[in-house]
Amino acid sequence: GAVVSQHPSWVICKSGTSVKIECRSLDFQATTMFWYRQFPKQSLMLMATSNEGSKATYEQGVEKDKFLINHASLTLSTLTVTSAHPEDSSFYICSARGTDAQETQYFGPGTRLLVL
Amino acid sequence: GQNIDQPTEMTATEGAIVQINCTYQTSGFNGLFWYQQHAGEAPTFLSYNVLDGLEEKGRFSSFLSRSKGYSYLLLKELQMKDSASYLCAVMDSNYQLIWGAGTKLIIKP
Repeated sequence: GAVVSQHPSWVICKSGTSVKIECRSLDFQATTMFWYRQFPKQSLMLMATSNEGSKATYEQGVEKDKFLINHASLTLSTLTVTSAHPEDSSFYICSARGTDAQETQYFGPGTRLLVL
Repeated sequence: GQNIDQPTEMTATEGAIVQINCTYQTSGFNGLFWYQQHAGEAPTFLSYNVLDGLEEKGRFSSFLSRSKGYSYLLLKELQMKDSASYLCAVMDSNYQLIWGAGTKLIIKP
């Protein structure tokens, strides 16, 4: 099956610092990548959708200047949480989909962010 | 609006069978997905239905009725490791996934 990796798996940082999370599709080309956030015992929340080579589309209520997304290649997307604050502490999960819009989304293992 | 409904929590016994239902109302339909998510982990893909009927994959089966806006995930011969949340998601006409809140399945010995 399709494999998606995410790095790092855990991040602990001080308030005000920026954190970059990488998402890679290892054995397929991901035209589209998705970034989700999940708070404890809550549903997945889609933050943004990014297509390779174009600007990300952010969901309502997600600050694009705070959550910078770059999808520079067909196998790599990055999410940068700028000036992180304790309320940004969450489980961030990326998923990737191939060239066909109806294809399955495959999830990375997630990155747990704790902002002190 | 668009919505996906599934039970919040279900309990079943090891070795038994459980059916997790999902009903949906979306703008368009391009398939329905089931994912499994263990606590503290990311979701993993279980099944995809786009045509009516039953898809069987080992101990797991998924059923779809597009006319009724209804799907279910059937888990047979339950094992303790099946304790997890099961997420139903529908792909709408814009190829966006609309997610249900998930059903937490508790397996008891």
